[in-house]
Amino acid sequence: AQSVTQLGSHVSVSEGALVLLRCNYSSSVPPYLFWYVQYPNQGLQLLLKYTSAATLVKGINGFEAEFKKSETSFHLTKPSAHMSDAAEYFCAVSVDAGNQFYFGTGTSLTVIP
Amino acid sequence: EPEVTQTPSHQVTQMGQEVILRCVPISNHLYFYWYRQILGQKVEFLVSFYNNEISEKSEIFDDQFSVERPDGSNFTLKIRSTKLEDSAMYFCASSRGLAGSEQYFGPGTRLTVT
Repeated sequence: AQSVTQLGSHVSVSEGALVLLRCNYSSSVPPYLFWYVQYPNQGLQLLLKYTSAATLVKGINGFEAEFKKSETSFHLTKPSAHMSDAAEYFCAVSVDAGNQFYFGTGTSLTVIP
Repeated sequence: EPEVTQTPSHQVTQMGQEVILRCVPISNHLYFYWYRQILGQKVEFLVSFYNNEISEKSEIFDDQFSVERPDGSNFTLKIRSTKLEDSAMYFCASSRGLAGSEQYFGPGTRLTVT
């Protein structure tokens, strides 16, 4: 079975500071991993995905994530937070073409001016 | 850029009533999904649909729920007799269905059952 754990339901950073949102996964087979962002009253927008090519994945809005098999992690980072980054972030895993996504519980990011 | 659309954006209904949530997936996608998000909780999978039939469903997707692709563009979720606990945001998604392909999500329908 597949699952995702996001440590820290709420993260606050100062504007310009490093953003680190944690995601650990559990999967019996090599996973595909995704980060989505949800702004208030909107749907989920894909930030980036890992599909077994490069372990360091770059996404939109300056975000990147590194797949670490030994740690079963796929943490999301951004070197310098911007006020517009304030949103809910979801990590998700899938294992096969067309299969459902398993989402984590989400991390709410607050950016302090 | 193509996008998934959903109607209505907000639906209020009384307990016991039937509701139909509508979605128009991206046109060249093959897999369609419904997820729900109860306020403050994580996004939960309900059902996936491929080649005009259900390919996966969760334990949430009981006999009160059904999905249909009535024509070449729409994908609907019907809740036969709504309960208070069905109040949630319902997201439709679609994907090409290739290994590792992302799912594209619609903006959601907020269902409120009173």
